[in-house]
Amino acid sequence: DTAVSQTPKYLVTQMGNDKSIKCEQNLGHDTMYWYKQDSKKFLKIMFSYNNKELIINETVPNRFSPKSPDKAHLNLHINSLELGDSAVYFCASSHRNTGELFFGEGSRLTVL
Amino acid sequence: GEDVEQSLFLSVREGDSSVINCTYTDSSSTYLYWYKQEPGAGLQLLTYIFSNMDMKQDQRLTVLLNKKDKHLSLRIADTQTGDSAIYFCAETEDQAGTALIFGKGTTLSVSS
Repeated sequence: DTAVSQTPKYLVTQMGNDKSIKCEQNLGHDTMYWYKQDSKKFLKIMFSYNNKELIINETVPNRFSPKSPDKAHLNLHINSLELGDSAVYFCASSHRNTGELFFGEGSRLTVL
Repeated sequence: GEDVEQSLFLSVREGDSSVINCTYTDSSSTYLYWYKQEPGAGLQLLTYIFSNMDMKQDQRLTVLLNKKDKHLSLRIADTQTGDSAIYFCAETEDQAGTALIFGKGTTLSVSS
């Protein structure tokens, strides 16, 4: 039983394309996140949703648009992909009362 | 803004103790975490400590917190080759939906 699942795990695409990464959690958590991990393994928060509402939106180009159709899902859509978007994108979720983050396995995006 | 600093690399021999250090700048940090990332995988919570604690021990793991110096350390006793991974220090002011601020991660390499 996968707690936080992301698809696809690998994504290779050309510059200028639009792509989406999907995330689902079956833990009943209230809050979901997208983190970006660059080639140096540095992790940075991008977005956070609590019960389908956006609560954190860090300085991220507006080509990145998160969408949360329900509290178990948080998808990430990226328009007009650029080389610098190549990274591993991690979805995570947390329960309001414990704060512990549960991470997905990551989606490695390569932009050529 | 908040910042979390860690040294990037640590190399130890199997059976030795490993000590991974972390400093943070946000004096209102209330919860401090250690996450482990194995190659190609997501992050897993190892342990956490509240700011009103000085020490927490969990089997081979010992976390020490010096709140005055804003210094956090993770000691792994009897380090094994399976402990080779990236260890991330993270902090947050509160648990409820606030994103964790991660350090850049310390790559621990254990040689036999």
